[in-house]
Amino acid sequence: NAGVTQTPKFQVLKTGQSMTLQCAQDMNHEYMSWYRQDPGMGLRLIHYSVGAGITDQGEVPNGYNVSRSTTEDFPLRLLSAAPSQTSVYFCASRAQPRNEQFFGPGTRLTVL
Amino acid sequence: GENVEQHPSTLSVQEGDSAVIKCTYSDSASNYFPWYKQELGKRPQLIIDIRSNVGEKKDQRIAVTLNKTAKHFSLHITETQPEDSAVYFCAASRGTDKLIFGTGTRLQVFP
Repeated sequence: NAGVTQTPKFQVLKTGQSMTLQCAQDMNHEYMSWYRQDPGMGLRLIHYSVGAGITDQGEVPNGYNVSRSTTEDFPLRLLSAAPSQTSVYFCASRAQPRNEQFFGPGTRLTVL
Repeated sequence: GENVEQHPSTLSVQEGDSAVIKCTYSDSASNYFPWYKQELGKRPQLIIDIRSNVGEKKDQRIAVTLNKTAKHFSLHITETQPEDSAVYFCAASRGTDKLIFGTGTRLQVFP
């Protein structure tokens, strides 16, 4: 099992550009989520999904879109990048019924 | 929604001493409380978790205690070692619902 994978590992964008951060898991987990990590702010939940076709907002959803067309994939879209979105983004999936959440390796995004 | 507060934000201890990190949560319906360790440049990894039907759980040098009445839970690390140096995060959720994290504690263990 590859676990939770994310691409790209690093990305630099200009203000106003759009892009998609990819996330995939091969553990057949129903629950997936996206977090952003900023210094001193911990891990803040952006969006999450409890299964294919179902998504919901987390703590900081503005400026991001998600979709969940398959159990395996949960992409995060930045519609119009802003410098405030410079962060490290982690995707995670969660095992049932143990509840343990596994994180991907992260994507470091810089918006200039 | 759920809010998790964590303190201290930084903690320095001498090797061999104990370290305690505390968290409080706001949603009385939360029933799952994991702790994650994140080393520099790495992803967070689960080190221990506890459910609301248990008051304490131990795994070698690591233990977690839960006080449901006061809505707080704590991580205890005994006989600290330099490799324990990392950022530790607590989190809370209602079962399989969204997991909300605290702001993290940077633990430094000095030899």
